[in-house]
Amino acid sequence: DIQMTQSPSSVSAYVGDRVIITCRASQGISRWLAWYQQKPGKAPKLLIYTASSLQSDVPSRFSGSGSGTDFTLTISSLQPEDFATYYCQQTSNFPLTFGGGTKVELK
Amino acid sequence: QPQLQESGPGLVKPSETLSLTCSVSGGSISNSAYYWGWIRQPPGKGLEWIGSSDYTGSTYYNPSLKSRVTISVDTSKNQFSLKLRSMTAADTAVYYCARPRLGFLDWLNWGQGTLVTVSS
Repeated sequence: DIQMTQSPSSVSAYVGDRVIITCRASQGISRWLAWYQQKPGKAPKLLIYTASSLQSDVPSRFSGSGSGTDFTLTISSLQPEDFATYYCQQTSNFPLTFGGGTKVELK
Repeated sequence: QPQLQESGPGLVKPSETLSLTCSVSGGSISNSAYYWGWIRQPPGKGLEWIGSSDYTGSTYYNPSLKSRVTISVDTSKNQFSLKLRSMTAADTAVYYCARPRLGFLDWLNWGQGTLVTVSS
């Protein structure tokens, strides 16, 4: 199975800050990586697929990069509605696996 | 976009079998390019993929749950189902059904989730 490791597990930031979250796969997954945003009590929302493709209706302040084993999610200017937990997921093959999550909190 | 809705009991006794159904509206479940899925999230914890099935019954399961899980698809009702046997407190979680992007394995459409508590 492919293990997904996210860091940090939590980050405190101000509105307007640039936030970077990293995700590392235990083996190469090319660009088969997705990022999700989850708010309390809600289902996750797909933000980015194939490492860097922005899902429709997702603001352009979100971007993804990476390939192989190392990936990043960047929020260029944090907005109040972006305070949430973010998960990465490898979509290379079964069994599908998620990272442990990164909680973005207000500083 | 399709709508997905989970249904099933909110409380299950230890050692019993959980049965959940996901009803799909606004789209046909009989599309070979989709692997419909179940994902769960224990309270305060992260996401765990349980398993996926296409409409023909081709299935993939999380190895950690494989011995206890069955996912099936009912095309006549446009539904798919999850059965998880021998439930324990560790299986207490919000259970989500989801549909991926066409032909891929990232989850685009989600149900609202249903909390299942295992307790006597």
